[in-house]
Amino acid sequence: DTAVSQTPKYLVTQMGNDKSIKCEQNLGHDTMYWYKQDSKKFLKIMFSYNNKELIINETVPNRFSPKSPDKAHLNLHINSLELGDSAVYFCASSQAPGGYRETQYFGPGTRLLVL
Amino acid sequence: GDSVTQMEGPVTLSEEAFLTINCTYTATGYPSLFWYVQYPGEGLQLLLKATKADDKGSNKGFEATYRKETTSFHLEKGSVQVSDSAVYFCALIGIQGAQKLVFGQGTRLTINP
Repeated sequence: DTAVSQTPKYLVTQMGNDKSIKCEQNLGHDTMYWYKQDSKKFLKIMFSYNNKELIINETVPNRFSPKSPDKAHLNLHINSLELGDSAVYFCASSQAPGGYRETQYFGPGTRLLVL
Repeated sequence: GDSVTQMEGPVTLSEEAFLTINCTYTATGYPSLFWYVQYPGEGLQLLLKATKADDKGSNKGFEATYRKETTSFHLEKGSVQVSDSAVYFCALIGIQGAQKLVFGQGTRLTINP
């Protein structure tokens, strides 16, 4: 009965590779997000989609490309991985109608290590 | 832009001690305020929230009150347990623009038996 799930949980790869992280939510939410947590635990928004439409795109390198095939899924593709991309990536989802009052529910995270 | 400042960690306490983790924010109007908790090796869980001034959020013995006059949302618990050891994040969602959580830097809490 996982609400927000991510795969894989761990990802170890070499510099220069391309990788994808998948996220799925079964909460019926309209909005999904990607956050990045760095080595100092600091969390920052990367992207947000509402009903498959991109609504937030923070200053993220264009090597990162989100894709939302439907409103229950939001994937993150990363090209040409760099050492600095090593982090924990969290997917989250929320309802749209309540706007800024809505709670965002987080997945378990994907721990990416670039060697 | 919107921002959140939390007290520096790490914080180490003995079991049954009183806990306060300070959080202040800068934002336009009345943002929604949240406390999330991250247990070791896990994702973020909502601990509590408040969406308007003077609201008190509470859960699992933790409380925080939305104070507009001091732009604060301090987290408190009367008697901590070893199982409360985690990283705690204060966050807000602003009233303007898209719904994005703006996080504080996190406070690592360790409770010793």
